[in-house]
Parts: sequence; structure tokens; C-alpha cells
Amino acid sequence: AQTVTQSQPEMSVQEAETVTLSCTYDTSESDYYLFWYKQPPSRQMILVIRQEAYKQQNATENRFSVNFQKAAKSFSLKISDSQLGDAAMYFCAYDYRDDKIIFGKGTRLHILP
Amino acid sequence: GAGVSQSPSNKVTEKGKDVELRCDPISGHTALYWYRQSLGQGLEFLIYFQGNSAPDKSGLPSDRFSAERTGGSVSTLTIQRTQQEDSAVYLCASSTTVGNTIYFGEGSWLTVV
Repeated sequence: AQTVTQSQPEMSVQEAETVTLSCTYDTSESDYYLFWYKQPPSRQMILVIRQEAYKQQNATENRFSVNFQKAAKSFSLKISDSQLGDAAMYFCAYDYRDDKIIFGKGTRLHILP
Repeated sequence: GAGVSQSPSNKVTEKGKDVELRCDPISGHTALYWYRQSLGQGLEFLIYFQGNSAPDKSGLPSDRFSAERTGGSVSTLTIQRTQQEDSAVYLCASSTTVGNTIYFGEGSWLTVV
């Protein structure tokens, strides 16, 4: 069965600094999708970034980028120039074809002013 | 509609009563997901629909939980004989197809007293 693991329950970063959130997953498939979602205190889940496993190039969205290591089954999120609005719970997720989307337990990110 | 709509946004019910939670997905989205999130916790998969069919019901915690989807659109999650441990936020999400971004509603916050 597929699993998604986020080993850091909480992290803190100084404003304007860079932080990396870790995610590993387990699958026997080769063609799948990976996501990072953000859940601020408002509770609304927001997509941060999406990666297609068949693409070797790491996805990037403005200050957010991923380090996708397919062989290692690792999918970390790097946030550059951290801002106060980045404070939230971050969830890593895995999606394969006609199957449920599996989420990790999340990492709570604190931004220190 | 413009986004995924869930109702009610908040529900307080007495232990033993039945509750119905409604999800209206984005128009045209064939995939619909239900998740449960307890306070400060990750997302627990409950069930997903592809059209009106539910290929995977393995996440439903007990036979008190059921869900249906009609017309490939609105879905209802029903919890019978509610228990205090059912207190959580119930999140609904939809997507056009597997691998595409899933869009979340704001959730239904259920409190069983």
C-alpha cells in the first residue's frame, strides 16, 4: 500500500530565510503525481505545487520549489525568502491513477519575525 | 459554482443523533473525495467517487458512516448514531481527473456533545 511520510511535525524559520520540508513516500508504481498543499489557520486547503513523476525537472512556483528524487522516493519542498503569510500546515500528497489521494500527517511551519 | 461548496459549515449535534453533510463539487469535476481531519491532525481518507461510483470505501471508519453521490454531482456523507469521537472537520474535494489539482471546500466542522 502507498504511504506518505512527513517526518517533521513542526518547523520554524526566520522571516526571509529558506526552509525545506521533507516528504518521503512508498509506491511500486512509476507514473504518479505528487503535491504539496498548504492549510493556513483559515482551514482552506490550497495547492502549493504539483509534480508529475515522469518529469525529471523539479517543479517551481515563485518562491516554492521541490527537490524530487524519484529513486529515493523523496519529495521535499523548499520555501525561499520566507514570509509571515507562509505560516501554515503543509501536507505532502500522492496520487496514482484512479485511486485515493494519500496525504502525509503534515508539518506545521512557524515563521519567526 | 466557482468552488467546492460544503454545508453546513458548523454543526453541533447530540450524541446518538444522525447527521448529513453535503458537498457540491465544482461543475464538471468527476472525482469527489471526502476526508476527515481531527483537531491539529492530518487528513484521514474516507471515500472517493468517480462519477456516481465509489471504487474505494475502505476509509469509512465504521458502518455508521455512509456516502452517496447522485447525478455525478452533489454528495452526501451521513453519520448515524454519532459518537464524540466523530467530532472533526469533514473536508470535501473534487477534481476533473486523476493527477489534476484537487480543490477543497472549507469543510464542515462537526461537534458531537
